[in-house]
Amino acid sequence: EIVMTQSPATLSVSPGERATLSCRASQSVSSNLAWYQQKPGQTPRLLIYGASTRATGVPARFSGSGSGTEFTLTIINLQSEDFAVYYCHQYNNWPRTFGQGTKVDIK
Amino acid sequence: EVQLVQSGAEVKKPGESLTISCKGSGYIFTSYWIGWVRQMPGKGLEWMGIIYPADSDTRYSPSFQGQVSISADKSIRTAYLQWNSLEASDTAMYYCARVGYCSGGSCYSSPTTPTDSWGQGTLVTVSS
Repeated sequence: EIVMTQSPATLSVSPGERATLSCRASQSVSSNLAWYQQKPGQTPRLLIYGASTRATGVPARFSGSGSGTEFTLTIINLQSEDFAVYYCHQYNNWPRTFGQGTKVDIK
Repeated sequence: EVQLVQSGAEVKKPGESLTISCKGSGYIFTSYWIGWVRQMPGKGLEWMGIIYPADSDTRYSPSFQGQVSISADKSIRTAYLQWNSLEASDTAMYYCARVGYCSGGSCYSSPTTPTDSWGQGTLVTVSS
């Protein structure tokens, strides 16, 4: 099973600033990596798939990069609605696995 | 519009059986894999398994193999997650999710495609 490790566990950021979230896979997942946003009491929302492709309706301030084992989600100009938990997810190998999540909170 | 509508919250006792459901609409149900994801209270997301409704090809994550059963009835566009004997540790939110995506007017679904749509979740509480 591929282990996905996200860092940091919590990221404190001021509105308008940039957030950089990392995700590392225990073995290569090629570009089969997605990022999800989950707010309290809500369903996860797909932000990025294919490591760098924004899902429909996702604002351009969200961007993803990386391949193989190292991935990054960058959020620029953080808005109030962006404070949430973010999960990376590999779908290259079965079983599909998620990272443990990074909570982005208000500094 | 793609929609996955899950059955309502359940409160059960240990040892009881349970089946929860997920009904798809707004897309060709038999063309997409559907998966189930567990989220225990205050915890992260865990992939349980997936099913292809067209032929009921099913795959389980090792952690959930033998613990749950996943099935689908394509005639009513519904996927199911079943337990034969619940435990307190099964208390969690369970989400169904469509496995696949659309880009440039074409849509794709396989066990190695992302999950683009989610049900609203079914909260299962197991307590004596």
